[in-house]
Amino acid sequence: DTEVTQTPKHLVMGMTNKKSLKCEQHMGHRAMYWYKQKAKKPPELMFVYSYEKLSINESVPSRFSPECPNSSLLNLHLHALQPEDSALYLCASSQVRTSGGTDTQYFGPGTRLTVL
Amino acid sequence: DAKTTQPNSMESNEEEPVHLPCNHSTISGTDYIHWYRQLPSQGPEYVIHGLTSNVNNRMASLAIAEDRKSSTLILHRATLRDAAVYYCILRRGTGNQFYFGTGTSLTVIP
Repeated sequence: DTEVTQTPKHLVMGMTNKKSLKCEQHMGHRAMYWYKQKAKKPPELMFVYSYEKLSINESVPSRFSPECPNSSLLNLHLHALQPEDSALYLCASSQVRTSGGTDTQYFGPGTRLTVL
Repeated sequence: DAKTTQPNSMESNEEEPVHLPCNHSTISGTDYIHWYRQLPSQGPEYVIHGLTSNVNNRMASLAIAEDRKSSTLILHRATLRDAAVYYCILRRGTGNQFYFGTGTSLTVIP
């Protein structure tokens, strides 16, 4: 099974709402990632978890709160978002690298988020 | 993080070979060259990667210049399903950072 699943596929929320995005993989990968992708732009790295610990935070605003409850699950909690946060949010997973650059990432289909 | 430069867009006729170039003049000795593609309305998917030697797999071939400052992704016979944005990415030897360049949008003409 080489699939990364993301739910929901689409999400519309108001600026005062609290919502969560969910990502799941069963490939035994111990690194998981969140990316944000605006229309016609490349994905931008937001967070990286390695062995369920946050290892990279690319200076993401605190209204985005990641969580990795176990090795298969990754959540992104959303609170008080702005309209400019509307984007496609992609989850990915990979092996944890100790050296070399041979590992590959597996991406989910993304959650299309609209903030009103 | 190392930067890659790609043309914004390219066109190819169906069933013709396609050569997608990538410049990475600041590549370091331990950087691997990865290619991913993103089909419309989907997440990116892995295509191929290499370090120094040319590589082939079922999807494509990767030709790496001798000085490693550039590489070319080769699709041997473009199909309509190959229409996508192709990203050239350098993976550092340590850490889990993964930064996409601007990518090349490939249009395949029937």
